[in-house]
Amino acid sequence: GAGVSQSPSNKVTEKGKDVELRCDPISGHTALYWYRQSLGQGLEFLIYFQGNSAPDKSGLPSDRFSAERTGGSVSTLTIQRTQQEDSAVYLCASSTDSGANVLTFGAGSRLTVL
Amino acid sequence: GQNIDQPTEMTATEGAIVQINCTYQTSGFNGLFWYQQHAGEAPTFLSYNVLDGLEEKGRFSSFLSRSKGYSYLLLKELQMKDSASYLCACKEAGTALIFGKGTTLSVSS
Repeated sequence: GAGVSQSPSNKVTEKGKDVELRCDPISGHTALYWYRQSLGQGLEFLIYFQGNSAPDKSGLPSDRFSAERTGGSVSTLTIQRTQQEDSAVYLCASSTDSGANVLTFGAGSRLTVL
Repeated sequence: GQNIDQPTEMTATEGAIVQINCTYQTSGFNGLFWYQQHAGEAPTFLSYNVLDGLEEKGRFSSFLSRSKGYSYLLLKELQMKDSASYLCACKEAGTALIFGKGTTLSVSS
């Protein structure tokens, strides 16, 4: 697609429920990133997919968080047994794997855990 | 790992010049990026430095000194629309782009 598409744009859930957030990167972009941004805070790195390499999961805050990228394109971030501290905007970005690797961000998925 | 430090907040007036500093500590340095993020929006790319020196792009310039682990973003002829957060980010080879906590710039008339 023309840009990075994320869904849902807003998600309200109850504590303890599982949620799935979806990212559709720019066509042809081999790198895909997930970041989390809490209110008024910077971007916290979560996970990074680069081509066929094993993903860099070093930023995932707990084993309740997982992500997959199917067919080198669409990615899903899953949060199990959500907690109130998981409330944040989850941003996805993609880039090529050459040159400056400039990231293009999606509009984000705002997650609110009640 | 990486450590990126930038001021939390800055204020300036319309028409002025402001310099936002960023210091970083990293191994395998592979580029320094600046992104702009308006409130409620996604970050957008501003500049990229991988070699020492100044990169100029219109009213915005970015400087890098690899030996000092230092960069700055220079904004000239400030406009109200420049009120935003400015994010310094550092890349190591083969790893994700890591962001600093951002500098919130408020431009007043």
